[in-house]
Amino acid sequence: DQQVKQNSPSLSVQEGRISILNCDYTNSMFDYFLWYKKYPAEGPTFLISISSIKDKNEDGRFTVFLNKSAKHLSLHIVPSQPGDSAVYFCAASGKTGNQFYFGTGTSLTVIP
Amino acid sequence: GAGVSQSPSNKVTEKGKDVELRCDPISGHTALYWYRQRLGQGLEFLIYFQGNSAPDKSGLPSDRFSAERTGESVSTLTIQRTQQEDSAVYLCASSLAPGRGGYEQYFGPGTRLTVT
Repeated sequence: DQQVKQNSPSLSVQEGRISILNCDYTNSMFDYFLWYKKYPAEGPTFLISISSIKDKNEDGRFTVFLNKSAKHLSLHIVPSQPGDSAVYFCAASGKTGNQFYFGTGTSLTVIP
Repeated sequence: GAGVSQSPSNKVTEKGKDVELRCDPISGHTALYWYRQRLGQGLEFLIYFQGNSAPDKSGLPSDRFSAERTGESVSTLTIQRTQQEDSAVYLCASSLAPGRGGYEQYFGPGTRLTVT
């Protein structure tokens, strides 16, 4: 039972344009949401997070939007850069933080 | 400071053998997680340690899998009688105590396990 889903396995975007990565979840008890970036042969690195009491969090070129009624979150990268090419995972957790549920990832390619 | 380290980076083993994977978390991180990532799939939660509390083992797929952690230091994940379906990248992550600003996990580079 996949509680966190990333339905787009891949995405290609031109350099300088906006990248939008989407994530859907099924558990309304999730309290905290995170995005991770992963390069080949490396572990995921934390990118940005949002708690369920907010609907937007911004950090530089990265913005995460949360729509609780739709159980949907998205990551916007503006402007996209070639170095952003990686696999992006969304993850969700309840208040206790003892289990995190990850999506299957979206491979982003930013074309120079 | 030093990040999360894992060893070995790669392990090839024969079906039926036991393997032990090691994780060194970031100093001061009380929470430690093990995940498995099979080819083309997302990260699958295995086990969670928080300080001296009893670990959350609910993600372990079978009794062939076990993990230990001494205090807030090194953790080992042991897979007994390995099967081909155990082939995956095993990732370890550590964080501060969840709920105290510690939701962000820091991952190691992983151990790629291949069972032949």
